[in-house]
Amino acid sequence: GENVEQHPSTLSVQEGDSAVIKCTYSDSASNYFPWYKQELGKGPQLIIDIRSNVGEKKDQRIAVTLNKTAKHFSLHITETQPEDSAVYFCAANQAGTALIFGKGTTLSVSS
Amino acid sequence: GAGVSQSPRYKVAKRGQDVALRCDPISGHVSLFWYQQALGQGPEFLTYFQNEAQLDKSGLPSDRFFAERPEGSVSTLKIQRTQQEDSAVYLCASSAVPGNSPLHFGNGTRLTVT
Repeated sequence: GENVEQHPSTLSVQEGDSAVIKCTYSDSASNYFPWYKQELGKGPQLIIDIRSNVGEKKDQRIAVTLNKTAKHFSLHITETQPEDSAVYFCAANQAGTALIFGKGTTLSVSS
Repeated sequence: GAGVSQSPRYKVAKRGQDVALRCDPISGHVSLFWYQQALGQGPEFLTYFQNEAQLDKSGLPSDRFFAERPEGSVSTLKIQRTQQEDSAVYLCASSAVPGNSPLHFGNGTRLTVT
């Protein structure tokens, strides 16, 4: 089955800096890669996703890149703000199977 | 409501008690998933429904865990004879179509077994 590794487990940046979180996956059949943001006491919220036919996707300050050959994908947050502080999870799956999540990255943005 | 609703938000059970956790998915969503999230960890898959059919229950940790979705909408996760290791947040998620479409999560039920 699928296995997703996520790094780093914690990340501290100054407001305005960029943050990068990296994930690797094991199953070459996986073709859907979402990123979720989880705030304390709440469920994960989808912030961006990418499918295997695309190498990069952007949404304002957030971007995701995918390298299918190397089986890794990354989340890039530019111009970080204190409200970006949260736990971020990457995930992967193929159609008809459950999303498998990484262990999470706790991002702290200090002002 | 607009989102996935889970109840109760918090549940404290004595070891050995049975508990039932409820999930109301987004109206019309075909797929429903249950995940278990231990403190400081990512969500771990438990089981998956498409309408009323339970298509995958490979993540259920033991036969004390049982899930149902009899009419293809509301789902209940039942844990019998709770153990301390069952303490976790139980998350429910739904998606509009089968396959890898975005999952919408509820805020979870935090279960504490004493």
